[in-house]
Amino acid sequence: DGGITQSPKYLFRKEGQNVTLSCEQNLNHDAMYWYRQDPGQGLRLIYYSQIVNDFQKGDIAEGYSVSREKKESFPLTVTSAQKNPTAFYLCASSRFGTGRSDTQYFGPGTRLTVL
Amino acid sequence: QKEVEQNSGPLSVPEGAIASLNCTYSDRGSQSFFWYRQYSGKSPELIMFIYSNGDKEDGRFTAQLNKASQYVSLLIRDSQPSDSATYLCAAPGAGSYQLTFGKGTKLSVIP
Repeated sequence: DGGITQSPKYLFRKEGQNVTLSCEQNLNHDAMYWYRQDPGQGLRLIYYSQIVNDFQKGDIAEGYSVSREKKESFPLTVTSAQKNPTAFYLCASSRFGTGRSDTQYFGPGTRLTVL
Repeated sequence: QKEVEQNSGPLSVPEGAIASLNCTYSDRGSQSFFWYRQYSGKSPELIMFIYSNGDKEDGRFTAQLNKASQYVSLLIRDSQPSDSATYLCAAPGAGSYQLTFGKGTKLSVIP
């Protein structure tokens, strides 16, 4: 059963803590993405990766870090430097990462709350 | 800075009516456009994409693209209460695979 999985579904972070959000896909997609969604807002791109061991900053990368050691996995770490991390985090993947019909598919999301 | 604009709504239509959702974009180089549906508390799911001027139909959904006027719309025929959701429009910039999302239009279909 192909798809994108994210874990955990809910995550609570204390001030000053780093937390890591997991994203795994078995669609054999080359490209993976991390977005953040705040209430009433559109999706904003944090990081993206077109290929293993390479990734690029999106519009709001400050306070976040990623790695892409395997094609299937693209974990996101929310560091203590991110001042307002409470949000809904969405991971997506697409077949190529380029081309006009390249479609992004989303995982179920992780809801992060800072205590 | 490329922008994708949507009317935030809420847009209310009676069951069985046609719902019309609109999106405008600033980047003339955008080649394709995506419509996603997002239920409250859930992740976006793709409805359809379009990259040619004109209409593209898929079941009850029709996407319309007018590149000269820089707008794309989504029509939902025979609207059902299960269509009640937020609809997100997205477009990549020219030469870029980064999608820019609109803030979404909230649709309510009234039984």
